[in-house]
Amino acid sequence: AQSVTQLDSQVPVFEEAPVELRCNYSSSVSVYLFWYVQYPNQGLQLLLKYLSGSTLVKGINGFEAEFNKSQTSFHLRKPSVHISDTAEYFCAVSKHSGGSNYKLTFGKGTLLTVNP
Amino acid sequence: DVKVTQSSRYLVKRTGEKVFLECVQDMDHENMFWYRQDPGLGLRLIYFSYDVKMKEKGDIPEGYSVSREKKERFSLILESASTNQTSMYLCASGTGGSYEQYFGPGTRLTVT
Repeated sequence: AQSVTQLDSQVPVFEEAPVELRCNYSSSVSVYLFWYVQYPNQGLQLLLKYLSGSTLVKGINGFEAEFNKSQTSFHLRKPSVHISDTAEYFCAVSKHSGGSNYKLTFGKGTLLTVNP
Repeated sequence: DVKVTQSSRYLVKRTGEKVFLECVQDMDHENMFWYRQDPGLGLRLIYFSYDVKMKEKGDIPEGYSVSREKKERFSLILESASTNQTSMYLCASGTGGSYEQYFGPGTRLTVT
């Protein structure tokens, strides 16, 4: 079974500073990787995904993530954050084999707080 | 745009009541999912469905059941609500050939 570890439960940063939200996964098979964002009082929205190809993936709102197979990591980055990026961010993994390959396993989330 | 709607944003029920949470998607998606979200625990999968009348247990199915009689509707049932089922419940849907899931706004259930 796969698992996801988000290394920081909370990350406070100042506006216009860079940010990195860390995600590590473990799986015995190849996986697909996702980052979702949840704004206050809303459901989750897909930020970006890695299925194959280039290990650097660009998503919405200026976010990007890099898949590192040797480190089993998929860290999320943004070079300059805005107040509006304040939200909870979830890393998720799905194994791509077998009949139940559309299930996602989520990390526990990282609360990003951007301060003025 | 894909739209996933949930019947209530907030719900308060008493211990022992039977509770129905409804989820409807408008994109003809094959896959539908129910999660619960608790602080510090992230999202945990309760049940999912790949097709009408098909269901499979997720990671925490105890105390819950589901029903999918029509493709667009996936219901979560708490047979006898308990206080430890107080939580945010999120429904999601996705196409059969994609790993992307689309989420509803959530139902915050309080069991007193």
